[in-house]
Amino acid sequence: NAGVTQTPKFQVLKTGQSMTLQCAQDMNHNSMYWYRQDPGMGLRLIYYSASEGTTDKGEVPNGYNVSRLNKREFSLRLESAAPSQTSVYFCASSEARISYEQYFGPGTRLTVT
Amino acid sequence: DQQVKQNSPSLSVQEGRISILNCDYTNSMFDYFLWYKKYPAEGPTFLISISSIKDKNEDGRFTVFLNKSAKHLSLHIVPSQPGDSAVYFCAASYSGNTPLVFGKGTRLSVIA
Repeated sequence: NAGVTQTPKFQVLKTGQSMTLQCAQDMNHNSMYWYRQDPGMGLRLIYYSASEGTTDKGEVPNGYNVSRLNKREFSLRLESAAPSQTSVYFCASSEARISYEQYFGPGTRLTVT
Repeated sequence: DQQVKQNSPSLSVQEGRISILNCDYTNSMFDYFLWYKKYPAEGPTFLISISSIKDKNEDGRFTVFLNKSAKHLSLHIVPSQPGDSAVYFCAASYSGNTPLVFGKGTRLSVIA
């Protein structure tokens, strides 16, 4: 089992460019999440998907969109990247609908210049 | 409004001694608490959890204590090892129906 995988690992964008961060899990989990981690800010939830076919906003959703493509995959899209979106992005999944023990991917380090 | 607070950004402990990481919360509806550990360039990994019906949970060298009246939990690591050096995040949830709320983390350095 690979657990939670994220692509790409690193990305540099220019302001205004768009990109999609990919996430997949092979644990048959129902819920999936996108977080960003910034220095001194901890982990902040961007969007989550409690189950296939549903998505909800988290604490910091502005500037992002998500797609729960199927049970395995949950993508995060930046339509027009801004320097404020420079961050490390983590995808996570959990077994239950909204649950406690989340399994995290290795992260994507994004720099917007 | 920060619902989960880790007021110590960093902590240094000598190898073999006890590490105590603290976490406070403001939302009295939280009923499940977790600690995650994060190494540089890796995703966080689940370490230990506690339900609000308990006041202590132990797993090897790691023990989490919950004081509901004080809205405070702590993670004890005994004995501390250099491999424990990492950032530790406290997280909380309620009713199993809301996403986890994370604290800002505490960086633990265990000095050999």
